[in-house]
Amino acid sequence: QTVVTQEPSLTVSPGGTVTLTCASSTGAVTSAYCPAWFQQKPGQAPRALIYDTSNTHSWTPARFSGSLLGGKAALTLSGVQPEDEAEYHCLLYYGAARVFGGGTKLTVL
Amino acid sequence: DVQLVESGGGLVKPGGSLRLSCSASGFTFNNAWMSWVRQAPGWGLEWVGRIKSESDGGTTDYAAPVKDRFTISRDDSKNTLFLQMNSLKTEDTAVYYCTTDGGYNGSPWGFQHWGQGTLVAVSS
Repeated sequence: QTVVTQEPSLTVSPGGTVTLTCASSTGAVTSAYCPAWFQQKPGQAPRALIYDTSNTHSWTPARFSGSLLGGKAALTLSGVQPEDEAEYHCLLYYGAARVFGGGTKLTVL
Repeated sequence: DVQLVESGGGLVKPGGSLRLSCSASGFTFNNAWMSWVRQAPGWGLEWVGRIKSESDGGTTDYAAPVKDRFTISRDDSKNTLFLQMNSLKTEDTAVYYCTTDGGYNGSPWGFQHWGQGTLVAVSS
């Protein structure tokens, strides 16, 4: 069974920069996996941030960006704000199947 | 505005069945591929399965843990998505979300809109 792995937790200071990654048990993540990223705050449904590796939605703050980095999908937050504290989930597409990562809890401290 | 509203969750015994519904509005439902995603308490998101639009064949795909137990269907005349869950196990306990699924991998429509979720608890 395919496993998608994210850092369980990360901590960043306000105004800082942090990169979250998303790895596949099948090997290097490429654009063919169309990585997507979601933000989820406690008690809320997930909110889409990034689709197809690096494309943002109209509501995605400019400080969020997606890329491929060292064989993984990556989500970078530049100039982190206190309201960015949340769980972040990545999603990879494997043909007809979709697989989410385990999520990264981002603490802004 | 796009709205997805799930219903049908509740407490069920192991081995039992439950049918979830998702009422959609604000978009052309019959053209949309739709997915179900679940989240066990304190855990990450897990894709459950997807149904294509009828015009694309209406076919379904499922994650391995639910294949042969869960069935996704749709009633385009009522803008409603369903998830029939049979042979439920304790590990199926989760909040179940319905969400839009793009017509192709990487579509901006994919997982763009989510319902508020409905809780399914499987316990004796």
